[in-house]
Amino acid sequence: TQLLEQSPQFLSIQEGENLTVYCNSSSVFSSLQWYRQEPGEGPVLLVTVVTGGEVKKLKRLTFQFGDARKDSSLHITAAQPGDTGLYLCAGATVSSNTGKLIFGQGTTLQVKP
Amino acid sequence: GAGVSQSPSNKVTEKGKDVELRCDPISGHTALYWYRQSLGQGLEFLIYFQGNSAPDKSGLPSDRFSAERTGGSVSTLTIQRTQQEDSAVYLCASSWDRRRGNEQFFGPGTRLTVL
Repeated sequence: TQLLEQSPQFLSIQEGENLTVYCNSSSVFSSLQWYRQEPGEGPVLLVTVVTGGEVKKLKRLTFQFGDARKDSSLHITAAQPGDTGLYLCAGATVSSNTGKLIFGQGTTLQVKP
Repeated sequence: GAGVSQSPSNKVTEKGKDVELRCDPISGHTALYWYRQSLGQGLEFLIYFQGNSAPDKSGLPSDRFSAERTGGSVSTLTIQRTQQEDSAVYLCASSWDRRRGNEQFFGPGTRLTVL
């Protein structure tokens, strides 16, 4: 059973386009994180959201946590080739007493110049 | 260095051999995770150590896989009688305990190829 569903799995767009990646679950999360991974490296944390309805911006990236804390989205404005990579969402469920993170399947983004 | 380190970076082995993969977490981090990642795919959880608690082994795919964490620091993932389907990148991550936030810091991974 996959607790976190990410969509789309693959995305290939032209430089300058906008895109949104979704992360959905039937579980409630105490916090949700977004990571980005480049080839040959481990994932690196982009942002953590903890409050329902929270919106965080990181330059051209906008992250939103759903009001019910069951879903999240990552929106990239005017994508650039440097945004290419694997984007992963991860969350700690409220029922977990260990803080163990559950990862989504990932979204592979390719931005063509 | 201050980050998570893993060794070896690459490992090529023959089917049926045993392999050991090592992870050195960030000093002071109480939580340590092992994941497996196939090419371009997401992370498959393997095992989770948190302080002195019993490890969460629910992600280990078979009894050929085992891991230990000695002294609350270094961890070793052992795969016995390797199979070709074990070929993947094995990632280790560490984090502070839940009260200090559970951002995971990842190592660069070990790429395992089973011939």
